[in-house]
Amino acid sequence: ETGVTQTPRHLVMGMTNKKSLKCEQHLGHNAMYWYKQSAKKPLELMFVYNFKEQTENNSVPSRFSPECPNSSHLFLHLHTLQPEDSALYLCASSLSGLSYNEQFFGPGTRLTVL
Amino acid sequence: ELKVEQNPLFLSMQEEKNYTIYCNYSTTSDRLYWYRQDPGKSLESLFVLLSNGAVKQEGRLMASLDTKARLSTLHITAAVHDLSATYFCAVDGETSGSRLTFGEGTQLTVNP
Repeated sequence: ETGVTQTPRHLVMGMTNKKSLKCEQHLGHNAMYWYKQSAKKPLELMFVYNFKEQTENNSVPSRFSPECPNSSHLFLHLHTLQPEDSALYLCASSLSGLSYNEQFFGPGTRLTVL
Repeated sequence: ELKVEQNPLFLSMQEEKNYTIYCNYSTTSDRLYWYRQDPGKSLESLFVLLSNGAVKQEGRLMASLDTKARLSTLHITAAVHDLSATYFCAVDGETSGSRLTFGEGTQLTVNP
């Protein structure tokens, strides 16, 4: 595997389900991000992790729960979602400590909440 | 709050024509990024611009940064169909830490 991978690629869930999205980066990076991309909206940053520590939570509802067990893996646990949470969820990673913040993105998980 | 505005948001071009996408941002920054996204796909990093006057070129795309005007441009030369995609600029503000703020994206369609 190379780059940033995400599973599953597509997910359909009911409002009462619990599911998890997984992201893995193979780039030796130490910062990881979750973004939400909805139709006709700019990318919305949800969470940032640096060296496994959450450094940013962009006022995300508690029905989204991130987990970062190590610098290579990032999860997004989902429960009691709403239909408006349907979107493309993108994971990204970057190397902290540089003077710039080029982020590398995974293929995304297309989530549909019924 | 850092704001990033792209224009146009939709661009329909003919092959072999030239055009420019503009990215304006609202705060001091000398770090700007361009990404490409194909339909249903992820974002691919195109250019990283790290100083005033920076210019980078790859094939038919050329990006530049004017930090004094808070403006970046993505110039497309002699467009071809393969360039059809959505292009995003993103800015790393001086006080934003690890946060990138993205523009809304420019959906480019190149017609034969």
